[in-house]
Amino acid sequence: SQKIEQNSEALNIQEGKTATLTCNYTNYSPAYLQWYRQDPGRGPVFLLLIRENEKEKRKERLKVTFDTTLKQSLFHITASQPADSATYLCALGDSGYSTLTFGKGTMLLVSP
Amino acid sequence: DTGVSQNPRHKITKRGQNVTFRCDPISEHNRLYWYRQTLGQGPEFLTYFQNEAQLEKSRLLSDRFSAERPKGSFSTLEIQRTEQGDSAMYLCASSLKGNSNQPQHFGDGTRLSIL
Repeated sequence: SQKIEQNSEALNIQEGKTATLTCNYTNYSPAYLQWYRQDPGRGPVFLLLIRENEKEKRKERLKVTFDTTLKQSLFHITASQPADSATYLCALGDSGYSTLTFGKGTMLLVSP
Repeated sequence: DTGVSQNPRHKITKRGQNVTFRCDPISEHNRLYWYRQTLGQGPEFLTYFQNEAQLEKSRLLSDRFSAERPKGSFSTLEIQRTEQGDSAMYLCASSLKGNSNQPQHFGDGTRLSIL
């Protein structure tokens, strides 16, 4: 069955460092991958979308890579700030369908 | 605010009661999705609409669940004869139709607690 794995343990880093979050998947050939941020008690907020034929995407301090051979996406936040503390979710989608399959998310804690 | 709006934000009810949630999508979005999220898990897909047509339903959506989008605008999700296991956050999202690679924009959800 399809499986999406994100770091289950919280990632603690210091302000100013680069945070790197991992999303691995098995038994799946997604057409695209999305990253979302979720704060406690709130809905997910869309951050970035990357397609299967794209290696890397950037938006301000965010960078996403997508390696379909390794079946892995990496999500980087450079110059991290305490305000970046949240849970980050990866979600995979098929080309023929509109629904998303989400990982469990990784909590990021950025300390001053 | 032009984002996805969900009401109510919180619902507490006794087991066996019926509940209904409402979602107002972003106005120009013709696709609308319902997800369910429990603590420590990612959102799980329940169903989605394109305009007023319900195009896909998850196996998670038991017979006690029904969703409608009567005029292709707002949507309602009803749960009949609620059970303890229905306690969760119910999230609504909307997106533009186009190719399937459109980001989904989520509301802040309705948190359902079954006593």
